Amino acid sequence: GALVYQYPRRTICKSGTSMRMECQAVGFQATSVAWYRQSPQKTFELIALSTVNSAIKYEQNFTQEKFPISHPNLSFSSMTVLNAYLEDRGLYLCGARETGGYEQYFGPGTRLTVL
Amino acid sequence: GQQVQQSPASLVLQEGENAELQCNFSSTATQLQWFYQSPGGSLVSLLSNPSGTKHTGRLTSTTVTKERRSSLHISSSQTTDSGTYLCAIDDNYAQGLTFGLGTRVSVFP
Repeated sequence: GALVYQYPRRTICKSGTSMRMECQAVGFQATSVAWYRQSPQKTFELIALSTVNSAIKYEQNFTQEKFPISHPNLSFSSMTVLNAYLEDRGLYLCGARETGGYEQYFGPGTRLTVL
Repeated sequence: GQQVQQSPASLVLQEGENAELQCNFSSTATQLQWFYQSPGGSLVSLLSNPSGTKHTGRLTSTTVTKERRSSLHISSSQTTDSGTYLCAIDDNYAQGLTFGLGTRVSVFP
């Protein structure tokens, strides 16, 4: 079956430092990977959509300078939160979809706490 | 952009009762997924249903595409059903999901 792993599951970083999180697809080829954030007491927001061999598309309020994403192959993606501050706290999810696939498969998330 | 409205915002049930959750969206959905988020935060995909009716276990989803609405019916609720149910829409195939605010369900014995 299709599985998505995320690492780390939880992380704490000091304000102003950076944090890298990873997303691994197993059992299918993740042609596109979407990264989402759920801030405390809020719903999930799309940060960016990455498709292999295409430019990464960032949503309004999110930039490559702040959330650089790497999607080097069909099984792996990573995102870094640069210069993290309190407002970057939350649960970060990656959702992966295969070519022609309909459903997004989600990982368990990386929970980021910023001190 | 796409807007997703869920109702009710919260729901309290006694174990064994049924529940109906609603999702309305502003643009045509090329994909619609219902998710369950546990109190601990983890997200589980329940059903993918852009049109028609689908069943899985005690869950039934009915989506009426033309009316831009979907419902999730929980039958014979159990205390383990407690959590937040999220509806998410993709209105431009494979462009990423827009999530609703969710319905928080609490089931008591």
